[in-house]
This record gives sequence, C-alpha cells and structure tokens, in this order.
Amino acid sequence: GAVVSQHPSWVICKSGTSVKIECRSLDFQATTMFWYRQFPKQSLMLMATSNEGSKATYEQGVEKDKFLINHASLTLSTLTVTSAHPEDSSFYICSARDGRTSGVRAMINEQFFGPGTRLTVL
Amino acid sequence: AQTVTQSQPEMSVQEAETVTLSCTYDTSENNYYLFWYKQPPSRQMILVIRQEAYKQQNATENRFSVNFQKAAKSFSLKISDSQLGDTAMYFCAFMKQSARQLTFGSGTQLTVLP
Repeated sequence: GAVVSQHPSWVICKSGTSVKIECRSLDFQATTMFWYRQFPKQSLMLMATSNEGSKATYEQGVEKDKFLINHASLTLSTLTVTSAHPEDSSFYICSARDGRTSGVRAMINEQFFGPGTRLTVL
Repeated sequence: AQTVTQSQPEMSVQEAETVTLSCTYDTSENNYYLFWYKQPPSRQMILVIRQEAYKQQNATENRFSVNFQKAAKSFSLKISDSQLGDTAMYFCAFMKQSARQLTFGSGTQLTVLP
C-alpha cells in the first residue's frame, strides 16, 4: 500500500513553454502533498506544501507564479512550470501524506514519495 | 529553523561489513521525529528507519539501526551485513511534531564494494 505515482517520468520541452507534472496517491487519500526539487548529487529542497482544496504554501524564494500548484482532489496534485527556462531543468519529486488518522500516529505518518520527474528545458 | 548536517559526502564499505553514517541536527523543539531515507540510482525515495524523539530506545529495522543521542542532537545510522543493494544516497531528515515538512540533510553517498 501507500503508492504515489508521478507522470510523466521525464519530459523535454522548449524554453518558454509550460509543463504540467501530476502526482497521484493510488491507494490512500493524501490530505497534504509536497513538491521538492533536486539538483544532481544534491539534497531535496522543499518548494511548496499543498493541502487539498486550499492554496499551496510556497517556501521562501520559490516563485508562486512560475510554479503553479493545484491540489483539487485527495488523490491528485499538479505542478505546472510556466514559461520554462533552462535553469528550471531539474528533478522534481512529490510526496504525499495520509492525514486521515488522528493523534500521535498522524504526526509520525511518513511521507510517501513519488518516483520523480526529470525535466529538461532546451 | 531546523538544520540537518551530514558531514560525510561519500562512504564505502565492503560487502558483509558494518558501516555507520553520521547525522547531526539543530533544533529548539522538544518533540520531533527523525528519519533516514535511501535514494538508490532509480531515485525513488525509500524510508529506511524512523525515530520518535520522545522514545529513548533506539529504533531498529532488520539490518538497520540508529544511535539516537538527543542531548547531543545526533542521529547516526548503522548498517550491518552490508549488501550490494544498499548502495545508494542516504538522507537524514527532521520533522517537528507541530509541522509536516521534512528538512533533509545534504546526503551521504554509500557504495558497497563486492
């Protein structure tokens, strides 16, 4: 159980175009989803946190108008990179948290990670 | 703000041997959780082990165990009987009880040698 998928797994696009990445929780309801960015041989940097039905919370330095996040349902969140530039090329990873349980168990619910999406902007 | 430090960018170990990966963190929180994640070449993040700060007993998961020293803010991972499949990037991560975001360390690339 607790599987998270991402689509596409890799994408190449031209500079100036927009790219949408989907993150789906396949067998649980994800009340919260997270989007990370990872450069080669580096750590994961949190970009934003999205809660179902509300606006995403972006980390400092992340342009909300460039990285549009939508979390319209309990199983789907999307990240749209608008007007992509070569410097947006990176590995994007989503994770999802099942927040249905309450109390202490909810606090230690792990985040389940998607397999990532490699974006290359030409 | 919380910080997580992994001071060993790369490590190697012979197959079947034991290796310890270091992690230190800085926080003013008293209630929090610590995790070790593994990222193999496939880049899929996999949870290896987690520790609740309020528990004194060190967590263990088969060949993986931690040495959690709360006062020293240290959280090392010991891998026993290393296997070739353990080759991966290992990330230490922190999550405070009042929040849901993970703060990751910079990672340690572990290579298990045949």
